Amino acid sequence: AQSVTQLGSHVSVSEGALVLLRCNYSSSVPPYLFWYVQYPNQGLQLLLKYTTGATLVKGINGFEAEFKKSETSFHLTKPSAHMSDAAEYFCAVTRNSGNTPLVFGKGTRLSVIA
Amino acid sequence: GAVVSQHPSWVICKSGTSVKIECRSLDFQATTMFWYRQFPKQSLMLMATSNEGSKATYEQGVEKDKFLINHASLTLSTLTVTSAHPEDSSFYICSATGDGGSYEQYFGPGTRLTVT
Repeated sequence: AQSVTQLGSHVSVSEGALVLLRCNYSSSVPPYLFWYVQYPNQGLQLLLKYTTGATLVKGINGFEAEFKKSETSFHLTKPSAHMSDAAEYFCAVTRNSGNTPLVFGKGTRLSVIA
Repeated sequence: GAVVSQHPSWVICKSGTSVKIECRSLDFQATTMFWYRQFPKQSLMLMATSNEGSKATYEQGVEKDKFLINHASLTLSTLTVTSAHPEDSSFYICSATGDGGSYEQYFGPGTRLTVT
């Protein structure tokens, strides 16, 4: 079985500060990992994904994440927060067997303070 | 490419009535579609997996007679909430994967259901 733990249900940062959202996963098989962002009353938008290859993946809006197998982590970072980054962020995992559902973490709400 | 739409985006219905939510893949063939439910300020919980032309597979605890899922074509899946009650009020989100066993899921914008 796979699972995702997101540390911190709410993270607050100042505009221009580093954003760090933590995600740890559990998987008995090589995982595929994802970060999604959700704005109020909207669906999910894919920020970035890790499948195979380079462990540091870059996504949209200046976000990046690093897959660390030894730490079973896939933390999301952004060097400088912008007000428009305020949203709910979900980390998710699936396995590479095709057509399998995503398992989501509980989400982290990011607030950006001016 | 890879756009998924949902209709309606927002629906209010009276208790005891049924509501149908459509999920369409607009520019690809979706062999598998997933239905998720999201309560306010919570994560997405998988309700069921549907494959075109076959019966949906429901997650434990999801009433298959209450949440009817039909995946009649490669571009359309529907979720019907039967005899809706206020506790069914939620945000319902679908996602779809293409053929070839792709892991990539494309999400719809969601449907907000309010049962009064």
